[in-house]
Amino acid sequence: AQSVAQPEDQVNVAEGNPLTVKCTYSVSGNPYLFWYVQYPNRGLQFLLKYITGDNLVKGSYGFEAEFNKSQTSFHLKKPSALVSDSALYFCAVRDGMDSSYKLIFGSGTRLLVRP
Amino acid sequence: EPEVTQTPSHQVTQMGQEVILRCVPISNHLYFYWYRQILGQKVEFLVSFYNNEISEKSEIFDDQFSVERPDGSNFTLKIRSTKLEDSAMYFCASSEILAGGPEQFFGPGTRLTVL
Repeated sequence: AQSVAQPEDQVNVAEGNPLTVKCTYSVSGNPYLFWYVQYPNRGLQFLLKYITGDNLVKGSYGFEAEFNKSQTSFHLKKPSALVSDSALYFCAVRDGMDSSYKLIFGSGTRLLVRP
Repeated sequence: EPEVTQTPSHQVTQMGQEVILRCVPISNHLYFYWYRQILGQKVEFLVSFYNNEISEKSEIFDDQFSVERPDGSNFTLKIRSTKLEDSAMYFCASSEILAGGPEQFFGPGTRLTVL
């Protein structure tokens, strides 16, 4: 069965410092991996995805993520955090063998960037 | 930039009543989805829809739920007889048909409150 784990409920970081939000996954086939961000009372905004190719993918707002097949991880990173990055971040996976394209989401990690 | 829209933003209903949640997907997208997020919990897949039929549904999507694309633009989720546990944020999403893993674009959500 497909699953996603986000082991941290909350990540706290000071503005200007690098941030990492962790994600691990489990799928039967090839993983298609996504990060979404949710601001209060808003929908989910797409940040970036990994389908194939370079393990380091770059996305919106300066975020990037590294796909690590051996560790089945897809951690979200940013070199220098902004207060405005404070939000709820969701990792999601789609199993490449799944024809329905449905996404399986992690439980979410709240990022708090303090000034 | 094209976006997914949803109406209403908030729906309050009495237990046992029927509700219809409406979505307008991005115009050139062909795959449509409904997800829900119970307060404080993860985003859960409900149903995917392609070529005027359901392609996959989760165990949550029982006989009380139905989806429809009544015209060329709207995509609706109907709950025939609402229960207290249906209270959640309901997200509509759409995606293109691409080889691999197209990202899904989410609407802002409809908050359903069942009293």
